[in-house]
Amino acid sequence: NAGVTQTPKFRVLKTGQSMTLLCAQDMNHEYMYWYRQDPGMGLRLIHYSVGEGTTAKGEVPDGYNVSRLKKQNFLLGLESAAPSQTSVYFCASSYSTVIEAFFGQGTRLTVV
Amino acid sequence: GESVGLHLPTLSVQEGDNSIINCAYSNSASDYFIWYKQESGKGPQFIIDIRSNMDKRQGQRVTVLLNKTVKHLSLQIAATQPGDSAVYFCAEFHSQGGSEKLVFGKGTKLTVNP
Repeated sequence: NAGVTQTPKFRVLKTGQSMTLLCAQDMNHEYMYWYRQDPGMGLRLIHYSVGEGTTAKGEVPDGYNVSRLKKQNFLLGLESAAPSQTSVYFCASSYSTVIEAFFGQGTRLTVV
Repeated sequence: GESVGLHLPTLSVQEGDNSIINCAYSNSASDYFIWYKQESGKGPQFIIDIRSNMDKRQGQRVTVLLNKTVKHLSLQIAATQPGDSAVYFCAEFHSQGGSEKLVFGKGTKLTVNP
């Protein structure tokens, strides 16, 4: 029973590099989300998806892109990483409302 | 603007005592208020929610109280155990025009001393 799995768990990038974070869920959830968590702050929504093939912007979308080509996967891309994107990234999924979403264990990203 | 914050960033209690974690909010239009638990190295985990038209809701060892007059939310944990040590976040949820928004507070770190 894997739930929500994020890959990788840790990553260090140089400024300007690109990378993709993968989120996979095995609960057949329609809704998927990407959040970032910064020290001393609550989670902030980057992008979300309400179903396969759909994406929408959240609270802090700039500098990120997402894709939901398959229902079980939600990818978060950084085209040109910046130090301001140093954060812990959490993926989540839910059957319907975000209230009872299941969260992954997070990806700690450092941009130097 | 809307904000969800916490009165205390840290809380230390003795095992077996009751814990109370507080949260202030500013958006009167929120539909639900939710408490999450985040253990070290893990993602947030849903604990309990309360609809905005309720004052109190109880779960297993947890009770959430909502005071809309002063825009205050609290989470009470009975007989706190070492496994309760974590960061607790409150969040407010509202749905408008088909879109949902979940705003998290900054978190309170609960430490349970044996």
